[in-house]
Amino acid sequence: DSGVTQTPKHLITATGQRVTLRCSPRSGDLSVYWYQQSLDQGLQFLIQYYNGEERAKGNILERFSAQQFPDLHSELNLSSLELGDSALYFCASSVGWTALSYGYTFGSGTRLTVV
Amino acid sequence: TQLLEQSPQFLSIQEGENLTVYCNSSSVFSSLQWYRQEPGEGPVLLVTVVTGGEVKKLKRLTFQFGDARKDSSLHITAAQPGDTGLYLCAGDQGAQKLVFGQGTRLTINP
Repeated sequence: DSGVTQTPKHLITATGQRVTLRCSPRSGDLSVYWYQQSLDQGLQFLIQYYNGEERAKGNILERFSAQQFPDLHSELNLSSLELGDSALYFCASSVGWTALSYGYTFGSGTRLTVV
Repeated sequence: TQLLEQSPQFLSIQEGENLTVYCNSSSVFSSLQWYRQEPGEGPVLLVTVVTGGEVKKLKRLTFQFGDARKDSSLHITAAQPGDTGLYLCAGDQGAQKLVFGQGTRLTINP
């Protein structure tokens, strides 16, 4: 157990639908990062939050949004889902707001399948 | 185009052999990290290298950061089946996010 909790572990939904992925960071970590992992693209950075505020944005689609709540858990919302959104979605957390020295602690991921 | 290129993409060797995997970029990184990912799990941090030329050892694993901080290598001595997994390098350019390579999928056969 890495200390980062992601739910659900698996999700199957239809095209056009909307889903919410949830992440609880490791105790004491203030930063949450969301990554998408697919076979052809590898791990792609989506977005980072630090202590409730958005800190960095990657190649996140406009159909996707995220937020971090006062208790530091984070949610990633994916809407108008397409077949190509099928992937593993990882949440990671870290103590500070940069990755230097400490690295990330990853959760086990949510496998999203869009049918 | 990947900012970090890892090679080889796939490697299958016998138990007891030595191997080296590489992580290369044209960009300079303030630090570089190596992770190992097993099926159904998230990546797990193995090591962080910060200084150009730095060498770190973790049991049978030796990590080196290039002098110019643009590349890194991971050497495994006497590989064991438990070393099987996806090895990912990730670079920190100080932009508050890590950039990951595509990974090297390593299989150690008993």
